[in-house]
Amino acid sequence: QITLKESGPTLVKPTQTLTLTCTFSGFSLSTSGVGVGWIRQPPGKALEWLALIYWDDDKRYSPSLKSRLTITKDTSKNQVVLTMTNMDPVDTATYYCAHSRPVATYFDYWGQGTLVTVSS
Amino acid sequence: QSALTQPASVSGSPGQSITISCTGTSSDVGGYNYVSWYQQHPGKAPKLMIYEVSNRPSGVSNRFSGSKSGNTASLTISGLQAEDEADYYCSSYTSSSTLVFGGGTQLTVL
Repeated sequence: QITLKESGPTLVKPTQTLTLTCTFSGFSLSTSGVGVGWIRQPPGKALEWLALIYWDDDKRYSPSLKSRLTITKDTSKNQVVLTMTNMDPVDTATYYCAHSRPVATYFDYWGQGTLVTVSS
Repeated sequence: QSALTQPASVSGSPGQSITISCTGTSSDVGGYNYVSWYQQHPGKAPKLMIYEVSNRPSGVSNRFSGSKSGNTASLTISGLQAEDEADYYCSSYTSSSTLVFGGGTQLTVL
């Protein structure tokens, strides 16, 4: 059974760096083709894809946010970490992590999401 | 990359069929058979309903179907049920090896 869970601060101040951790079970990020991605959703708005890391450490980022994002993995801990620099109130959103099957371009399992509010 | 274009809302009565469109470009929807669709109920995480244009994951009702023509993909829900009322999002792989979501469509079952 595949599960994912996001963790991190619920409140960050403008200009700070956000660090979110996705802890998963039921699969290994060392399995060929597997990926873990991050997606966010501002309150009442649409989903926005942020980043994806693959089993071989290949990393993909949203072009509009690439300069602010870093995604890393710790295979031994079954964790993926997303950092986003220079946070702004417009970055207030629910942040989801999700599992991507080998050679897949979609997310078949999602975490419950974590709401991050950016406010001074 | 710009978000894929979806109608803001659609509605239908129980038992009817509805179709939600998702329009992109030749660099995303039109260029690859890698369109997926997600259902999201309020306060819940998205759920995969369709992948690779027309494939249904195990456990998803066969009332849900997907198709694509040119730069536009479509999700059709037949035999509408009250439980289908939710937001629906399309997603596509892009020529930049990234992913992009649509703006979302709110489905109301009348």
